[in-house]
Amino acid sequence: KAGVTQTPRYLIKTRGQQVTLSCSPISGHRSVSWYQQTPGQGLQFLFEYFSETQRNKGNFPGRFSGRQFSNSRSEMNVSTLELGDSALYLCASSPPTGNGGETQYFGPGTRLLVL
Amino acid sequence: GENVEQHPSTLSVQEGDSAVIKCTYSDSASNYFPWYKQELGKGPQLIIDIRSNVGEKKDQRIAVTLNKTAKHFSLHITETQPEDSAVYFCAASKVEVGGKSTFGDGTTLTVKP
Repeated sequence: KAGVTQTPRYLIKTRGQQVTLSCSPISGHRSVSWYQQTPGQGLQFLFEYFSETQRNKGNFPGRFSGRQFSNSRSEMNVSTLELGDSALYLCASSPPTGNGGETQYFGPGTRLLVL
Repeated sequence: GENVEQHPSTLSVQEGDSAVIKCTYSDSASNYFPWYKQELGKGPQLIIDIRSNVGEKKDQRIAVTLNKTAKHFSLHITETQPEDSAVYFCAASKVEVGGKSTFGDGTTLTVKP
């Protein structure tokens, strides 16, 4: 099976702009989670989508949002970018609940640089 | 919420030696504890996991132990090799909650040839 894919892999934006990142989960996986990874804060949970619904949410401002499509692909959007949003954004997908649904498989990430 | 502490932050060992990384968690309801290895330019890769109904799990040179009473779990790597050099993360979550994990801050392991 193909792994989790994320596009784009690298992105440079300026403050105030908005950005949309995309994640395609492993085939058959319906849960998609997003994490922000920075040197200072480590891996921080953003949100999780399951069957097109947000199931869990982390402690990030409303500028961070996401959605999931019927084919389980997910996007996350960050509006009004700030310098502190520079990070590696990781997407992880999980198998159906009851079949190891707690196990997360990560993609390679999208590295966002805000200037 | 859950808080996971990981130690040490850096670890350097000679090839062939063992490496141990320890994590503690705060939420006694957490019941799933995975370990990830992250190499430069890549996303974290699951290397082993343990559920709260098990005290120890082993997979070749890698083992994880869990002490629910003390709320800590450890990763043990034996016969280390240079390719084991990477950043290792522990995490804790609740199976019934779904895809939301709390991660430790990571341990940079360097295996010297």
